[in-house]
Amino acid sequence: AQTVTQSQPEMSVQEAETVTLSCTYDTSESDYYLFWYKQPPSRQMILVIRQEAYKQQNATENRFSVNFQKAAKSFSLKISDSQLGDAAMYFCAYRSVRETSGSRLTFGEGTQLTVNP
Amino acid sequence: NAGVTQTPKFQVLKTGQSMTLQCAQDMNHNSMYWYRQDPGMGLRLIYYSASEGTTDKGEVPNGYNVSRLNKREFSLRLESAAPSQTSVYFCASRNLRGTSGGELWLDTGELFFGEGSRLTVL
Repeated sequence: AQTVTQSQPEMSVQEAETVTLSCTYDTSESDYYLFWYKQPPSRQMILVIRQEAYKQQNATENRFSVNFQKAAKSFSLKISDSQLGDAAMYFCAYRSVRETSGSRLTFGEGTQLTVNP
Repeated sequence: NAGVTQTPKFQVLKTGQSMTLQCAQDMNHNSMYWYRQDPGMGLRLIYYSASEGTTDKGEVPNGYNVSRLNKREFSLRLESAAPSQTSVYFCASRNLRGTSGGELWLDTGELFFGEGSRLTVL
């Protein structure tokens, strides 16, 4: 079974600075998807960024980018020019491409990000 | 667009009581999921329904039952609530495949979530 680990329960960053959230995962599969979800205090889960394992290029969405290291099974999220609205719980998630698994997501424990003004 | 709607948003139960969490999605998605979120444990899958008429257990199914009533609705039932079931529950949905411009596509795995239901069992 796949597992996802976020070793940083809490992180903090100054407004306008850059922060990196760590995520590692364990799988025997060669093709899969990885995600970062954001959960603000409203509890709504919001997709931040997605990475397909077969793609070597790291995904980027505006101020959010990932460092995907397939061999190391590492998938970190970098937030540049941090804003107060970035404060939230961030979850890393894994999904197999095999539909027999029900296409469900396996989540990490979460990292609570605080942005200081 | 309503997306994924869960009811109720909050509920307090006594041990042994039963209740049903309702979930409906208006995106014509095939697959629906119930997760629970607990501090330090992320989201864990309780049950899922890959398509209408099918349901399967996830990581933590004990103490729960589900019903995929139709393509839109997927309910989660606690028959005899226990304090260990105090949690925030999320319903989610997604499509496995579809067509766009005459081409078949496989989805990228994104889940669309409801706003969560906070359940407290005393």
